[in-house]
Amino acid sequence: QKEVEQNSGPLSVPEGAIASLNCTYSDRGSQSFFWYRQYSGKSPELIMFIYSNGDKEDGRFTAQLNKASQYVSLLIRDSQPSDSATYLCAVTSGGSNYKLTFGKGTLLTVNP
Amino acid sequence: EAQVTQNPRYLITVTGKKLTVTCSQNMNHEYMSWYRQDPGLGLRQIYYSMNVEVTDKGDVPEGYKVSRKEKRNFPLILESPSPNQTSLYFCASSVTPRAKQYFGPGTRLTVT
Repeated sequence: QKEVEQNSGPLSVPEGAIASLNCTYSDRGSQSFFWYRQYSGKSPELIMFIYSNGDKEDGRFTAQLNKASQYVSLLIRDSQPSDSATYLCAVTSGGSNYKLTFGKGTLLTVNP
Repeated sequence: EAQVTQNPRYLITVTGKKLTVTCSQNMNHEYMSWYRQDPGLGLRQIYYSMNVEVTDKGDVPEGYKVSRKEKRNFPLILESPSPNQTSLYFCASSVTPRAKQYFGPGTRLTVT
């Protein structure tokens, strides 16, 4: 069974700081990588996706992918209290990349 | 409004009593999947479907069945529920597994 590992946290940062969330995956054939945010009691919602090595930026969010190291990260700049949530890393896997495997999530708390 | 709907939202049942959780999407998505979310274990894929009549096992399929007779519907069937299937269940859909997953609101199931 292919695995996706995340630091469980909790990760606590002050408002305005950079939050760094990390994820490693075991399937070298994985092709698509996602970060979802889940507020307590709510459904996951997509924050970022990345397919190629390097960085991808969208507003305050930057996803970084290193396929050689099997590592994907999410940086949140200028963290806000509203960013406090659980962040889920997800990776496609399986021979045809039809399966989607999630990490257990990292709980982020941004303190005012 | 583009959405994924699940019913029921809450269900308490007894061991062995067959139940079905319905999932429907109005976005003409090809890919649909079911997940369960448990504390400390994260979000785990139960089954997924690439298209009508095409389904495959995720990481935790034991004790579950699915069917995809129509593109918009993807019901989850528990033929003989057991207490270890007490969980929060999410249905999701997307154009492909490499695209954004749209999650339903979740179904909280308790099996006594």
